[in-house]
Amino acid sequence: NAGVTQTPKFRVLKTGQSMTLLCAQDMNHEYMYWYRQDPGMGLRLIHYSVGEGTTAKGEVPDGYNVSRLKKQNFLLGLESAAPSQTSVYFCASSSIQGISQPQHFGDGTRLSIL
Amino acid sequence: KQEVTQIPAALSVPEGENLVLNCSFTDSAIYNLQWFRQDPGKGLTSLLLIQSSQREQTSGRLNASLDKSSGRSTLYIAASQPGDSATYLCAVRFQTGANSKLTFGKGITLSVRP
Repeated sequence: NAGVTQTPKFRVLKTGQSMTLLCAQDMNHEYMYWYRQDPGMGLRLIHYSVGEGTTAKGEVPDGYNVSRLKKQNFLLGLESAAPSQTSVYFCASSSIQGISQPQHFGDGTRLSIL
Repeated sequence: KQEVTQIPAALSVPEGENLVLNCSFTDSAIYNLQWFRQDPGKGLTSLLLIQSSQREQTSGRLNASLDKSSGRSTLYIAASQPGDSATYLCAVRFQTGANSKLTFGKGITLSVRP
């Protein structure tokens, strides 16, 4: 089973460029999440979605936008990349029972902003 | 502020030792607590999920306990092996605030020496 797949795995951007990170899950999960992981900071929630067509802000949403047009996909967009957004980005999903179920993570996207 | 703390940040032990990794959290009103393993350059693998009504969960050589009243969880690793070397993350789903959110500790990097 593929589980949670993130695309791309690595990317280098210049300041001011835009890009979209794609997360796809094949487990029919309702809940999807985007986190960033930075040294000394742990994982922090950027945005999340509790179902198709819904999105909500997490701890650190500024500078990011998200969309959940299809249940299986959750997109994270950077409109104008900044060096502070250099990080490892993880997508996760969990089932309709949400709160009581474990979150399943992708392998991450390593993003560098020059 | 709801926080999750893991101390120490790093641990090095000889092979064969039984280990206890600690996690503490600031609010006893939780839905559940999840332990993850992260290998270098990889995503997070869920090890154990303990619901708030449970005291412990076991999987193979791993045992996780939960004491909500004291705000503590421990991950016990029996007969440690070099393959157990990784970073272990504790994450809590608190009842207040955005209940879809996991709050992560910064992790404990474990090195098991042959």
